[in-house]
Amino acid sequence: GNSVTQMEGPVTLSEEAFLTINCTYTATGYPSLFWYVQYPGEGLQLLLKATKADDKGSNKGFEATYRKETTSFHLEKGSVQVSDSAVYFCALYSGGSNYKLTFGKGTLLTVNP
Amino acid sequence: EAGVVQSPRYKIIEKKQPVAFWCNPISGHNTLYWYLQNLGQGPELLIRYENEEAVDDSQLPKDRFSAERLKGVDSTLKIQPAELGDSAVYLCASSPAVTVAGELFFGEGSRLTVL
Repeated sequence: GNSVTQMEGPVTLSEEAFLTINCTYTATGYPSLFWYVQYPGEGLQLLLKATKADDKGSNKGFEATYRKETTSFHLEKGSVQVSDSAVYFCALYSGGSNYKLTFGKGTLLTVNP
Repeated sequence: EAGVVQSPRYKIIEKKQPVAFWCNPISGHNTLYWYLQNLGQGPELLIRYENEEAVDDSQLPKDRFSAERLKGVDSTLKIQPAELGDSAVYLCASSPAVTVAGELFFGEGSRLTVL
């Protein structure tokens, strides 16, 4: 079955540091890949997406590239801010009749001033 | 545009008691989802509706969980009776009929504590 593996947290960084959160996946076919973010006290929201190999999703300074050869979709940001503190979830959708979004366990990021 | 609205935000009950959660999706969104999120885990799908039809309820524990989406808009998720292991966050999400598959809009969740 489909699965998503994220680097375990928590991750603690200082403001302006570089961020990488690793995500790898197992899926049949050609899945679409997503990063969702959950800010404190809020619901999950889509951060970025990529629907085919070599696509780069980007939003709010975050980027992730769909790497089919390594089955990865690592999230990166060059300079994090305190406001980026949140839980980040990697997810995949593999289509077909099994219309289901499969999530990783989430990675808690804390950015200190 | 109003987002997905869930209530209650928090609920504390004794085991064996019933509990119900309500969800109002974004206007015009035909697809509605209920997800379960245990502490330290990612969300897991319980049930998906297309309009008023439950098209995927394979992960819903039907001995104690039930859900309905009358008139294809609001939805209710019920647990009866609740068990200690049901303590979790119950998330509702919706998506329009035509969308990039996997793009869901989530509510803030209903946190259940069973004592």
